[in-house]
Amino acid sequence: GENVEQHPSTLSVQEGDSAVIKCTYSDSASNYFPWYKQELGKRPQLIIDIRSNVGEKKDQRIAVTLNKTAKHFSLHITETQPEDSAVYFCAASSLNQAGTALIFGKGTTLSVSS
Amino acid sequence: EAGVTQFPSHSVIEKGQTVTLRCDPISGHDNLYWYRRVMGKEIKFLLHFVKESKQDESGMPNNRFLAERTGGTYSTLKVQPAELEDSGVYFCASSLGAGTIQETQYFGPGTRLLVL
Repeated sequence: GENVEQHPSTLSVQEGDSAVIKCTYSDSASNYFPWYKQELGKRPQLIIDIRSNVGEKKDQRIAVTLNKTAKHFSLHITETQPEDSAVYFCAASSLNQAGTALIFGKGTTLSVSS
Repeated sequence: EAGVTQFPSHSVIEKGQTVTLRCDPISGHDNLYWYRRVMGKEIKFLLHFVKESKQDESGMPNNRFLAERTGGTYSTLKVQPAELEDSGVYFCASSLGAGTIQETQYFGPGTRLLVL
């Protein structure tokens, strides 16, 4: 089955710096890669996702890149702000007819200090 | 639009007791998922309902866990009898169920279960 590795487990940056979180996956059939942000005491929320027919996707300060050949994808946050501090989870899944499970990485705790 | 809700938010029980967790998905969502995060580890898939049917229960750890979704609306996850290793945060998620592309899964706030 699918296995997702996520690095680093913790990341500390200064406000205004960039942050990069990397994930690798094992199943070449995976074709959907969402990123979730979980603030302390709150629910995981989708912040961006990418499908296998796209190499890069951007939404304001957040971007995700996908390299299908190498089976890795990354989250890039530019101009970090204290409110970006949270746990970030990458996930992978492959489509089946009726929806499918997300396989998550272990999470990255991002701390942005001002 | 109301999001996914879960009850209770916290539960502390003793080993051997029974606990039932409830999830109310977003109205109209056919897909309902249960996940669990044990401290410091990844969020792991438990099972997936499509309406009232179990589509995939490959992540259920053992037969002490029983999930139901009668009528295809809310779902319950019962742990009986609970063991220490069942402690963690249990998340429910739902998605619409349009069927042809992978859809966003919306997560609930989770139930924090502590088994003593």
